[in-house]
Amino acid sequence: DIQMTQSPSSLSASVGDRVTITCRASQSISKYLNWYQQKPGKAPNLLIYAASSLQSGVPSRFSGSGSGTDFTLTISSLQPEDFATYYCQQSYSNPYTFGQGTKLEIK
Amino acid sequence: QVTLRESGPALVKPTQTLTLTCTFSGFSLSTSGMCVSWIRQPPGKALEWLARIDWDDDKYYSTSLKTRLTISKDTSKNQVVLIMTNMDPVDTGTYYCARIQAATVIIDYWGQGTLVTVSS
Repeated sequence: DIQMTQSPSSLSASVGDRVTITCRASQSISKYLNWYQQKPGKAPNLLIYAASSLQSGVPSRFSGSGSGTDFTLTISSLQPEDFATYYCQQSYSNPYTFGQGTKLEIK
Repeated sequence: QVTLRESGPALVKPTQTLTLTCTFSGFSLSTSGMCVSWIRQPPGKALEWLARIDWDDDKYYSTSLKTRLTISKDTSKNQVVLIMTNMDPVDTGTYYCARIQAATVIIDYWGQGTLVTVSS
């Protein structure tokens, strides 16, 4: 199975900050990398697919980059509603493994 | 619009078998390229992908859980069933079903999830 490792596991930031979360795959996954946002008690919500494509309806302050084994999710200017947990997921091969999550908290 | 809803027991005893049903609308699993997956999340922990079934009845399972899982579909009822045997307290968590489109291989719709507790 492909292992997905996110860093950091948790992050404190302020409204207006620029934040970057990284995700590393244990082998090359080309650009088959998706990012999800999850708020407490809710199902995850797709933000970015194919490493850098913004899902319809997602604010443009979210962006993704990377290919191969190293990927990043960037939030350009944090808004209050962005404080949540973020997961990367590879869709290169079954099983479609997730990262362990990054919890973004208010500083 | 696309909706998915999970149903099943909220409480199961250790060693019992869990049967979960995903009832969906807004798409058909007989349509080429449509897939449904099950994903779970222990309380306070990360998401774990469990299984996937495709429109052509191809099936895929978590490597670590494949001996305990069976996924099946009833296209006429718009339902996908997940069976997990030999339940253990570590299997406690929220179980989600979700739609995947094979062309993009993204999870674009999720159910609300159902909490399953394993306890005697």
